[in-house]
Amino acid sequence: GQSLEQPSEVTAVEGAIVQINCTYQTSGFYGLSWYQQHDGGAPTFLSYNALDGLEETGRFSSFLSRSDSYGYLLLQELQMKDSASYFCAVRGGTGGFKTIFGAGTRLFVKA
Amino acid sequence: DAGITQSPRYKITETGRQVTLMCHQTWSHSYMFWYRQDLGHGLRLIYYSAAADITDKGEVPDGYVVSRSKTENFPLTLESATRSQTSVYFCASSEEGTDYGYTFGSGTRLTVV
Repeated sequence: GQSLEQPSEVTAVEGAIVQINCTYQTSGFYGLSWYQQHDGGAPTFLSYNALDGLEETGRFSSFLSRSDSYGYLLLQELQMKDSASYFCAVRGGTGGFKTIFGAGTRLFVKA
Repeated sequence: DAGITQSPRYKITETGRQVTLMCHQTWSHSYMFWYRQDLGHGLRLIYYSAAADITDKGEVPDGYVVSRSKTENFPLTLESATRSQTSVYFCASSEEGTDYGYTFGSGTRLTVV
Protein backbone atom coordinates (compact mmCIF):
# COMPACT_ATOMS: atom_id res chain seq x y z
CA GLY A 1 0.00 0.00 0.00
CA GLN A 2 0.87 3.65 0.13
CA SER A 3 1.04 6.02 3.09
CA LEU A 4 2.36 9.50 3.71
CA GLU A 5 3.28 11.46 6.83
CA GLN A 6 3.40 15.23 7.08
CA PRO A 7 3.02 17.62 10.02
CA SER A 8 -0.53 18.70 10.74
CA GLU A 9 0.27 22.37 11.35
CA VAL A 10 3.09 24.84 10.84
CA THR A 11 3.16 28.51 11.86
CA ALA A 12 5.60 31.06 10.46
CA VAL A 13 6.04 34.82 10.21
CA GLU A 14 5.52 36.88 7.09
CA GLY A 15 8.77 37.18 5.13
CA ALA A 16 10.27 34.06 6.68
CA ILE A 17 11.12 30.68 5.16
CA VAL A 18 9.22 27.52 6.05
CA GLN A 19 9.83 23.88 5.20
CA ILE A 20 7.06 21.27 5.14
CA ASN A 21 8.34 17.71 5.30
CA CYS A 22 6.80 14.57 3.87
CA THR A 23 7.83 10.96 4.31
CA TYR A 24 6.19 8.20 2.36
CA GLN A 25 5.89 4.46 1.94
CA THR A 26 4.81 3.13 -1.40
CA SER A 27 5.32 0.50 -4.04
CA GLY A 28 5.88 1.43 -7.66
CA PHE A 29 6.98 4.98 -6.90
CA TYR A 30 6.84 7.46 -9.80
CA GLY A 31 7.21 10.78 -8.04
CA LEU A 32 6.14 13.20 -5.33
CA SER A 33 3.75 16.08 -5.95
CA TRP A 34 2.72 19.08 -3.86
CA TYR A 35 -0.63 20.83 -3.86
CA GLN A 36 -1.95 23.97 -2.19
CA GLN A 37 -5.52 24.36 -1.01
CA HIS A 38 -7.11 27.49 0.41
CA ASP A 39 -10.16 27.18 2.65
CA GLY A 40 -13.24 26.43 0.60
CA GLY A 41 -11.24 26.02 -2.59
CA ALA A 42 -9.94 23.23 -4.74
CA PRO A 43 -6.39 21.86 -4.53
CA THR A 44 -4.00 23.43 -7.02
CA PHE A 45 -0.85 21.82 -8.32
CA LEU A 46 2.46 23.33 -7.18
CA SER A 47 5.28 20.98 -8.14
CA TYR A 48 6.37 17.48 -9.04
CA ASN A 49 9.65 15.67 -8.35
CA ALA A 50 10.43 12.41 -10.10
CA LEU A 51 14.18 12.48 -9.52
CA ASP A 52 16.33 13.30 -6.51
CA GLY A 53 17.14 16.92 -5.98
CA LEU A 54 15.64 20.35 -5.74
CA GLU A 55 13.12 21.88 -8.14
CA GLU A 56 12.55 25.62 -7.90
CA THR A 57 9.50 27.53 -9.06
CA GLY A 58 9.55 31.14 -7.96
CA ARG A 59 9.22 31.39 -4.18
CA PHE A 60 8.45 27.66 -3.89
CA SER A 61 10.97 24.82 -4.08
CA SER A 62 10.47 21.10 -3.69
CA PHE A 63 13.02 18.47 -2.82
CA LEU A 64 13.05 14.70 -3.15
CA SER A 65 15.30 11.95 -1.82
CA ARG A 66 14.12 8.62 -3.18
CA SER A 67 16.59 6.62 -1.08
CA ASP A 68 15.17 8.19 2.11
CA SER A 69 11.53 8.16 0.91
CA TYR A 70 11.46 11.80 1.90
CA GLY A 71 10.63 15.13 0.38
CA TYR A 72 9.90 18.68 1.40
CA LEU A 73 8.28 21.85 0.17
CA LEU A 74 10.17 25.07 0.86
CA LEU A 75 8.30 28.37 0.83
CA GLN A 76 10.41 31.52 0.85
CA GLU A 77 9.49 35.17 1.47
CA LEU A 78 6.24 34.08 3.07
CA GLN A 79 3.17 36.17 2.36
CA MET A 80 -0.16 36.22 4.15
CA LYS A 81 -1.78 34.68 1.06
CA ASP A 82 0.38 31.57 1.56
CA SER A 83 -1.79 30.64 4.54
CA ALA A 84 -3.39 27.44 3.26
CA SER A 85 -3.17 23.68 3.49
CA TYR A 86 -0.36 21.93 1.67
CA PHE A 87 -0.57 18.30 0.59
CA CYS A 88 2.16 15.98 -0.54
CA ALA A 89 1.04 13.23 -2.88
CA VAL A 90 2.73 10.08 -4.09
CA ARG A 91 2.22 8.88 -7.62
CA GLY A 92 2.21 5.10 -7.77
CA GLY A 93 0.25 2.17 -9.10
CA THR A 94 0.22 1.10 -12.74
CA GLY A 95 1.45 3.95 -14.91
CA GLY A 96 1.82 6.26 -11.91
CA PHE A 97 -1.76 7.46 -11.85
CA LYS A 98 -2.87 6.01 -8.54
CA THR A 99 -2.03 9.17 -6.63
CA ILE A 100 -2.39 9.07 -2.87
CA PHE A 101 -2.43 12.26 -0.79
CA GLY A 102 -1.14 12.95 2.68
CA ALA A 103 -3.49 14.38 5.31
CA GLY A 104 -2.17 17.88 4.69
CA THR A 105 -0.22 20.52 6.59
CA ARG A 106 -2.04 23.65 7.64
CA LEU A 107 0.26 26.66 7.28
CA PHE A 108 -0.51 29.78 9.28
CA VAL A 109 1.38 32.90 8.27
CA LYS A 110 1.43 35.62 10.93
CA ALA A 111 2.11 39.31 10.41
CA ASP B 1 -16.03 27.35 -21.02
CA ALA B 2 -12.81 25.39 -20.92
CA GLY B 3 -12.00 23.56 -17.74
CA ILE B 4 -13.34 20.96 -15.39
CA THR B 5 -16.78 21.43 -13.93
CA GLN B 6 -18.64 19.55 -11.24
CA SER B 7 -22.33 19.54 -10.54
CA PRO B 8 -24.17 20.02 -8.35
CA ARG B 9 -22.14 22.32 -6.13
CA TYR B 10 -24.15 21.35 -3.08
CA LYS B 11 -26.42 18.37 -2.51
CA ILE B 12 -28.47 17.12 0.42
CA THR B 13 -29.88 13.62 0.14
CA GLU B 14 -31.46 11.06 2.41
CA THR B 15 -29.94 7.82 3.60
CA GLY B 16 -30.58 5.02 1.14
CA ARG B 17 -31.11 7.23 -1.89
CA GLN B 18 -29.08 6.94 -5.05
CA VAL B 19 -27.22 10.10 -6.01
CA THR B 20 -24.96 10.89 -8.95
CA LEU B 21 -22.26 13.53 -8.96
CA MET B 22 -21.26 14.82 -12.37
CA CYS B 23 -17.85 15.75 -13.69
CA HIS B 24 -17.10 17.18 -17.12
CA GLN B 25 -13.79 18.30 -18.60
CA THR B 26 -13.17 20.08 -21.90
CA TRP B 27 -9.48 19.32 -22.42
CA SER B 28 -9.84 15.71 -23.61
CA HIS B 29 -7.53 14.62 -20.81
CA SER B 30 -7.10 10.87 -20.72
CA TYR B 31 -7.06 10.53 -16.95
CA MET B 32 -9.84 11.44 -14.55
CA PHE B 33 -10.18 10.90 -10.82
CA TRP B 34 -12.62 11.11 -7.95
CA TYR B 35 -11.47 12.03 -4.47
CA ARG B 36 -13.33 12.65 -1.25
CA GLN B 37 -12.06 15.05 1.35
CA ASP B 38 -12.86 14.75 5.03
CA LEU B 39 -11.33 16.63 7.94
CA GLY B 40 -8.23 14.84 9.16
CA HIS B 41 -8.01 12.53 6.16
CA GLY B 42 -6.90 14.78 3.38
CA LEU B 43 -7.93 13.62 -0.06
CA ARG B 44 -8.72 9.95 -0.53
CA LEU B 45 -8.90 8.38 -3.96
CA ILE B 46 -12.21 6.67 -4.74
CA TYR B 47 -11.84 5.68 -8.39
CA TYR B 48 -9.79 6.70 -11.36
CA SER B 49 -9.96 6.21 -15.10
CA ALA B 50 -7.20 6.03 -17.69
CA ALA B 51 -9.50 6.38 -20.69
CA ALA B 52 -13.07 5.83 -21.80
CA ASP B 53 -14.34 2.47 -20.54
CA ILE B 54 -11.23 1.94 -18.36
CA THR B 55 -11.69 2.46 -14.62
CA ASP B 56 -9.91 1.23 -11.53
CA LYS B 57 -10.44 1.29 -7.78
CA GLY B 58 -8.67 3.68 -5.46
CA GLU B 59 -8.32 3.62 -1.67
CA VAL B 60 -12.00 3.85 -0.71
CA PRO B 61 -14.22 2.48 -3.52
CA ASP B 62 -16.88 0.70 -1.47
CA GLY B 63 -20.37 2.11 -1.94
CA TYR B 64 -19.44 3.97 -5.12
CA VAL B 65 -19.83 3.22 -8.81
CA VAL B 66 -18.25 5.04 -11.75
CA SER B 67 -18.58 4.92 -15.49
CA ARG B 68 -16.74 6.58 -18.35
CA SER B 69 -18.56 6.11 -21.63
CA LYS B 70 -17.14 9.37 -23.01
CA THR B 71 -13.69 10.82 -22.44
CA GLU B 72 -15.05 14.13 -21.13
CA ASN B 73 -17.46 12.76 -18.51
CA PHE B 74 -16.79 10.79 -15.36
CA PRO B 75 -19.90 10.53 -13.16
CA LEU B 76 -19.73 9.13 -9.63
CA THR B 77 -22.79 7.33 -8.25
CA LEU B 78 -23.55 6.53 -4.66
CA GLU B 79 -25.88 3.56 -5.02
CA SER B 80 -27.40 3.77 -1.55
CA ALA B 81 -26.13 6.81 0.31
CA THR B 82 -25.00 6.49 3.93
CA ARG B 83 -24.17 9.19 6.46
CA SER B 84 -20.51 8.19 6.32
CA GLN B 85 -20.51 9.36 2.71
CA THR B 86 -21.12 12.94 3.79
CA SER B 87 -18.06 14.67 2.40
CA VAL B 88 -16.67 17.07 -0.17
CA TYR B 89 -16.09 15.30 -3.46
CA PHE B 90 -13.49 16.50 -5.94
CA CYS B 91 -13.11 15.42 -9.50
CA ALA B 92 -9.75 15.91 -11.23
CA SER B 93 -8.22 15.33 -14.62
CA SER B 94 -4.70 15.05 -15.99
CA GLU B 95 -2.84 14.81 -19.23
CA GLU B 96 -1.02 11.61 -19.96
CA GLY B 97 2.46 11.61 -18.48
CA THR B 98 3.25 11.77 -14.81
CA ASP B 99 4.99 15.17 -14.97
CA TYR B 100 1.65 16.88 -15.19
CA GLY B 101 -0.26 17.85 -12.11
CA TYR B 102 -3.90 17.21 -11.61
CA THR B 103 -6.47 19.93 -12.23
CA PHE B 104 -9.33 19.77 -9.77
CA GLY B 105 -12.93 20.83 -10.13
CA SER B 106 -14.55 23.13 -7.57
CA GLY B 107 -15.99 20.23 -5.62
CA THR B 108 -19.43 18.99 -4.59
CA ARG B 109 -20.39 19.25 -0.94
CA LEU B 110 -22.65 16.26 -0.24
CA THR B 111 -24.64 15.88 2.95
CA VAL B 112 -26.47 12.63 3.68
CA VAL B 113 -29.17 12.99 6.32
